[in-house]
Amino acid sequence: AQKITQTQPGMFVQEKEAVTLDCTYDTSDPSYGLFWYKQPSSGEMIFLIYQGSYDQQNATEGRYSLNFQKARKSANLVISASQLGDSAMYFCAMRPPNSGAGSYQLTFGKGTKLSVIP
Amino acid sequence: SQTIHQWPATLVQPVGSPLSLECTVEGTSNPNLYWYRQAAGRGLQLLFYSVGIGQISSEVPQNLSASRPQDRQFILSSKKLLLSDSGFYLCAWSVHQTVNTEAFFGQGTRLTVV
Repeated sequence: AQKITQTQPGMFVQEKEAVTLDCTYDTSDPSYGLFWYKQPSSGEMIFLIYQGSYDQQNATEGRYSLNFQKARKSANLVISASQLGDSAMYFCAMRPPNSGAGSYQLTFGKGTKLSVIP
Repeated sequence: SQTIHQWPATLVQPVGSPLSLECTVEGTSNPNLYWYRQAAGRGLQLLFYSVGIGQISSEVPQNLSASRPQDRQFILSSKKLLLSDSGFYLCAWSVHQTVNTEAFFGQGTRLTVV
């Protein structure tokens, strides 16, 4: 079974500074996908970034980058130049390769609440 | 472009009453559809998924059911709500079953059972 661990219930960061949100995972599958989602207070889950287990390079999307360390089974999200609008819950999630026909069994961590301080 | 609509945004229902939450997707055909529930301060739990009309798979035994009467419509229902059904319900869709396919979520429905 897959498991996602986010050990930081809450984080604070100064505006314009960078912040790293931790995520570790546990799986026996050699092929899997890792995702980060942002959930603002409105509740919508917003997809941020994806990392495949066989990707050679760390994923980047604008101010978001993923520090993927496969041997350590970690997939930390790095947000550069934090903005006030980055204040939200952030969830790490994993999808194994063999989830059954058509399924999308994302396993989510419990999330980290990020607060950006002006 | 693809969009996903979910309603209502908030709902307060008494224990024992029925429930119907609706989700529709626009701009794509034959999507995979999902219902997730998020309890307060928790991650998301997959409740149901569907790969086609009339095809529903349940991930968690519970007081809820799902139906897909049309290609891009997904409905979450209950005949009699329990207090434990309170939570934030999110509908989502994805294109294909590949490892790198992200899910796109609706705005969610905050359900409070009183």
